[in-house]
Amino acid sequence: EPEVTQTPSHQVTQMGQEVILRCVPISNHLYFYWYRQILGQKVEFLVSFYNNEISEKSEIFDDQFSVERPDGSNFTLKIRSTKLEDSAMYFCASSSLTGGGQPQHFGDGTRLSIL
Amino acid sequence: DQQVKQNSPSLSVQEGRISILNCDYTNSMFDYFLWYKKYPAEGPTFLISISSIKDKNEDGRFTVFLNKSAKHLSLHIVPSQPGDSAVYFCAAESKAAGNKLTFGGGTRVLVKP
Repeated sequence: EPEVTQTPSHQVTQMGQEVILRCVPISNHLYFYWYRQILGQKVEFLVSFYNNEISEKSEIFDDQFSVERPDGSNFTLKIRSTKLEDSAMYFCASSSLTGGGQPQHFGDGTRLSIL
Repeated sequence: DQQVKQNSPSLSVQEGRISILNCDYTNSMFDYFLWYKKYPAEGPTFLISISSIKDKNEDGRFTVFLNKSAKHLSLHIVPSQPGDSAVYFCAAESKAAGNKLTFGGGTRVLVKP
């Protein structure tokens, strides 16, 4: 069964440094998402992406964050200047359709630790 | 964000018995509700969804019930199996909000052999 893959599985970064989290969505999917889960808290929506544009973003997704689909397969999340509170598990998801109860398929996540 | 709540952080059930997981929501604009299962070190895996205009959806051992007037839904797993031991998340989506998923806090289920 096709799956969403995320790399790296664990990223340790010094505060203030830039970090790029990478995702390979399922190949025929058109809609892409990033979520995060801070330890002990809920899974939170960050951003959705379709047709090379951001379709929706949350209040968390400020100017420090950006997303890109640099080629036909990768989908990346960049955090420009990391803060301690960015430490979380980051999940990438993709779907073939949006809405209508269509499932978003999640990767196994990247654990980001900011020191 | 308290729009979707799962008030039971954990549930323990004997193998073969029914597991009932509950979820409450406050936003009447939600169009669909989805349940996901999550094992440690893995991402959430989709289980089943239900439209806000339905009151029941069934898929194998999994049935989701929606009580729209009470803004409450539940997931029934019958019979429960040890492999069902995981964290279960209720999530909701709204077309008006771009179909992003709003998650509950999760319920950890332990199925005892």
